[in-house]
Amino acid sequence: DTAVSQTPKYLVTQMGNDKSIKCEQNLGHDTMYWYKQDSKKFLKIMFSYNNKELIINETVPNRFSPKSPDKAHLNLHINSLELGDSAVYFCASSQDRGLYNEQFFGPGTRLTVL
Amino acid sequence: AQSVTQPDIHITVSEGASLELRCNYSYGATPYLFWYVQSPGQGLQLLLKYFSGDTLVQGIKGFEAEFKRSQSSFNLRKPSVHWSDAAEYFCAVAPVAYSGAGSYQLTFGKGTKLSVIP
Repeated sequence: DTAVSQTPKYLVTQMGNDKSIKCEQNLGHDTMYWYKQDSKKFLKIMFSYNNKELIINETVPNRFSPKSPDKAHLNLHINSLELGDSAVYFCASSQDRGLYNEQFFGPGTRLTVL
Repeated sequence: AQSVTQPDIHITVSEGASLELRCNYSYGATPYLFWYVQSPGQGLQLLLKYFSGDTLVQGIKGFEAEFKRSQSSFNLRKPSVHWSDAAEYFCAVAPVAYSGAGSYQLTFGKGTKLSVIP
């Protein structure tokens, strides 16, 4: 059973389009995260939700909007895609917001904007 | 602001050789410390973590790390590297105490890529 799953694994799209990436965890965790890994492998948090409530919202353009329909899902919607949005996006989850908890990462979604 | 430095971008070792990956952090107090590994095309997996107590921490896959407060370091070691250890390794820190909305996050270093020569 996959603990944290993301769809799609690869996403190639044109500038200006709107796209979504879905994330689901079956670990019963309360907290979920979205990270962006750039071309130099630098990994930076974008958002975090705890029990469907937004608790971290880093300096991310408004074009990015996370949505958590329930605590097992955290989707990422991106409007008006730009070239600089090309990256690998990782979803993660942890038992709760306490950072002593291990974060379990999904396999990533490689987004390429042409 | 807290930061994590991994001075080595890329390290190449021969299979069977010992390994040490460096990590230094800058933070007001001793944070939680983590090492993650990312195999090609995969998500990150936790190798080990340090919160307090014994400064030598054992992790999975034969890895260990030593916390040195005086050097603000948390270096990862393995006595004998296997070809399957080739991957990207990330050191990360997190604040121990909540100090505002931005506290609930891991800060990652830029990673060290490990190549293993058979």
